[in-house]
Amino acid sequence: DTEVTQTPKHLVMGMTNKKSLKCEQHMGHRAMYWYKQKAKKPPELMFVYSYEKLSINESVPSRFSPECPNSSLLNLHLHALQPEDSALYLCASSQDPAHPYNEQFFGPGTRLTVL
Amino acid sequence: AQTVTQSQPEMSVQEAETVTLSCTYDTSENNYYLFWYKQPPSRQMILVIRQEAYKQQNATENRFSVNFQKAAKSFSLKISDSQLGDTAMYFCAFMKQAGNTPLVFGKGTRLSVIA
Repeated sequence: DTEVTQTPKHLVMGMTNKKSLKCEQHMGHRAMYWYKQKAKKPPELMFVYSYEKLSINESVPSRFSPECPNSSLLNLHLHALQPEDSALYLCASSQDPAHPYNEQFFGPGTRLTVL
Repeated sequence: AQTVTQSQPEMSVQEAETVTLSCTYDTSENNYYLFWYKQPPSRQMILVIRQEAYKQQNATENRFSVNFQKAAKSFSLKISDSQLGDTAMYFCAFMKQAGNTPLVFGKGTRLSVIA
C-alpha cells in the first residue's frame, strides 16, 4: 500500500457543526502533516506530527484540533468554523522524521465548504 | 527564512512542444532539496522530480528535467514532448536537509497543454 487516503472527499458544514477529517497511511511513515490550500494558492502547513506527537503548529486557530491516535491515522477535528475556512485540506506523510531526506506523499484532499 | 518564487502565474504550450517553468529561491542553507510537484484538476499533489543540492548533475525523470543553478539559486523545470495530461498546477518547493522540516512552496504556475 503506497498511498495516503483521506475521507471524506467533500464536506459541507455549518458554522455551529462539529466534524472531523480523517487521513490514513499504511506505509509505516512516522511523520504526518495537515495542509490547508485555498483556490489557486500553494498549500499552507498547519500541523506536523512526528512519532505521534505534535511537533509543529503553525499558529492555527483552536477551532482546528489535530489528533494522531496511532502511527497510521491522523484526524483533524473541526468546530465553530468560519466561511473563510473553506478550502482543500491536504494530508501528507513521510517516512522517518529523523532522516534528513523526507519525501512527502500527499493524499487527494478533502474539499471543505463552511456555510 | 526560505522563500520560493515562481514568476509565471500561467503558461501554455502546444502538445508535443517543450516548455520551461521558472523557479528561484532564497536560502542561507548549503544542504537542501528542491522539488517540483504537479497538481492536476483532480487535486492530488504528485511529486514530479527532486534535486539534492549537493549533486551537480541535473535530475531527469523521463520527459521531465531540471536546470539547477545553485549559485544563482535557480531551479527550472523543462517538460519535453508535452502531453494533454501535463495540464496542471506546478509548484516548486524547497526543503532544508534536516529531519522533519516543512516544505516551502512557491505560488505555482498553471500550465495548459493545448491540442
